[in-house]
Amino acid sequence: AQSVTQLDSHVSVSEGTPVLLRCNYSSSYSPSLFWYVQHPNKGLQLLLKYTSAATLVKGINGFEAEFKKSETSFHLTKPSAHMSDAAEYFCVVTGDSSYKLIFGSGTRLLVRP
Amino acid sequence: DSGVTQTPKHLITATGQRVTLRCSPRSGDLSVYWYQQSLDQGLQFLIQYYNGEERAKGNILERFSAQQFPDLHSELNLSSLELGDSALYFCASSASGRLDEQYFGPGTRLTVT
Repeated sequence: AQSVTQLDSHVSVSEGTPVLLRCNYSSSYSPSLFWYVQHPNKGLQLLLKYTSAATLVKGINGFEAEFKKSETSFHLTKPSAHMSDAAEYFCVVTGDSSYKLIFGSGTRLLVRP
Repeated sequence: DSGVTQTPKHLITATGQRVTLRCSPRSGDLSVYWYQQSLDQGLQFLIQYYNGEERAKGNILERFSAQQFPDLHSELNLSSLELGDSALYFCASSASGRLDEQYFGPGTRLTVT
């Protein structure tokens, strides 16, 4: 069965410093992986996706993630945090049917001025 | 704005009642997905429809049902409501039945009192 673990429930950074949100996955086959962001009282927005092409994936708003099969990780990074990045981030893996998404528990990113 | 619309935005109802949540997918998208987001269980996939037919099922209770109509809008019916059904219900759509990007609506917040 597929699963995804987000290692930190909360991450706090200062504006202008790097962001690292950690995600490990478990899958019995080559998965597709995604990062979604949810701002307060908003729906989810796709940040980036990995679907077995390049292992370093660039997304919107300066975010990127690297797929590391040997470590079963798909960590999300950004070189410099902005106040508008404060939100909840979800790491997502495809389910066995490939039609459903399996969400991690989420990481709430706080950005201090 | 993802192009996915959901109505109503908020719904307050009593235990034992039945409600219907409505979703209109992005123009041209054939697949509709329903998700439930609650504090204790996080984001969970409920069910997917593709071009009017059920395609995949997740953790959907028997008290819940969904359908997709010929114009591709979808409805999620929740009956015999319990306090634990209080949650944010998201609809998402994608272009086809394969794993394309899913675009999420703003959600319907259901409160059962």
